[in-house]
Amino acid sequence: AQKVTQAQTEISVVEKEDVTLDCVYETRDTTYYLFWYKQPPSGELVFLIRRNSFDEQNEISGRYSWNFQKSTSSFNFTITASQVVDSAVYFCALGTGRRALTFGSGTRLQVQP
Amino acid sequence: DGGITQSPKYLFRKEGQNVTLSCEQNLNHDAMYWYRQDPGQGLRLIYYSQIVNDFQKGDIAEGYSVSREKKESFPLTVTSAQKNPTAFYLCASTRASRQVTSGELFFGEGSRLTVL
Repeated sequence: AQKVTQAQTEISVVEKEDVTLDCVYETRDTTYYLFWYKQPPSGELVFLIRRNSFDEQNEISGRYSWNFQKSTSSFNFTITASQVVDSAVYFCALGTGRRALTFGSGTRLQVQP
Repeated sequence: DGGITQSPKYLFRKEGQNVTLSCEQNLNHDAMYWYRQDPGQGLRLIYYSQIVNDFQKGDIAEGYSVSREKKESFPLTVTSAQKNPTAFYLCASTRASRQVTSGELFFGEGSRLTVL
């Protein structure tokens, strides 16, 4: 069975602070994909990143960075120097085989000015 | 612009009534999905379709029905059998591949259903 756990329900930070959103996944498949999505107040989920199970390189995109560690089954997401526009709900998701994506319960990030 | 259009954005329903949520995409994607979002529970899969005239139940299909008569359309009907239908419903699509979950999902803006 596939499972994604986002233990942090809600995080509140002050602008310019760094923040890390945790994601832990479970799967028995050796080939899988991990995703992060952002859901702003408008409701539409926006794709941020995809990682496959064979690529453990960390990735940085502007203020965003992702740390994929197979040894701990984690795919954590860090926002550096957070901004108010980063306020949203963030979802981690797992994709294996031909099944639809399994999503975590989401982490609501509030960035205070 | 290419994308996914969901309608209506807000919908109110009386108990015992069926209601249909529309989802249309012009991305030429083969696979389409319906998710339900409840506070604190993330997204749960209701139904998905990888090709026209075929669809599969997701984790919480009871009380819902779908059809896939056209590639671009995947409507969801919330029937009176759904005991707790008040929720936010999201439609998504992706290009099908041998590993259908390797591609990113494109989402609509959602439909919020409230049962009075």
